[in-house]
Amino acid sequence: EVQLVESGGGLVQPGGSLRLSCAASGFTFSLYTMNWVRQAPGKGLEWLSYIDSASSIYYADSVKGRFTISRDNAKNSLYLQLSGLRDEDTAVYYCARGVKGIVGTLSFNWFDPWGQGTLVTVSS
Amino acid sequence: DIQMTQSPSPLSASVGDRVTITCRASQSIGSYLNWYQQKPGKAPKVLIYAASSLESGVPLRFSGSGSGTDFTLTISSLQPEDFATYYCQQSYSTPQTFGQGTKVEIK
Repeated sequence: EVQLVESGGGLVQPGGSLRLSCAASGFTFSLYTMNWVRQAPGKGLEWLSYIDSASSIYYADSVKGRFTISRDNAKNSLYLQLSGLRDEDTAVYYCARGVKGIVGTLSFNWFDPWGQGTLVTVSS
Repeated sequence: DIQMTQSPSPLSASVGDRVTITCRASQSIGSYLNWYQQKPGKAPKVLIYAASSLESGVPLRFSGSGSGTDFTLTISSLQPEDFATYYCQQSYSTPQTFGQGTKVEIK
């Protein structure tokens, strides 16, 4: 069974740091692009970052310079280092596998599966 | 960044109703549009990818259509387990942006 399990969330003060982890199982982790997506309480989904199989990285402007994504293929694990945390970073953080598929002659991608999420609360 | 706008929000419906949710992109995205379902306290789950391709295991009452800037998700006959929030996502360009969500509520 393909599974993603996040950990590392918790309560942190503004300006603090936290490292989130996502443990993958049931698939060849090293071959896939992995993503982080967050959801503030009662709000919608916000994509944050991806790291592909070649370790190319992209960040949303909202977290660029503050968050760092990384992966350890030997441990089948994805990470997100959060620093300079603000109140507005309070959210459930999900990791999600990027899946590619061919429809007709075109290549498409989507997120599947998602982990269960880990809650980060930024508060003094 | 490409902006995704969903309507309506929320949507009140009854079991057995035909339900249509609309998603509009701020620029043309071809068929690079995915739909997700999220239930309270759970992670999102993909329903439709590439605008109209049904993910394996998803009930046939779900369908997607559209291309360019205008897309729809249709539930042909709403079931009790379908009351949830639905999100569209464009995968045309990074950042892959989501719509604000459409909560399907019991009428």
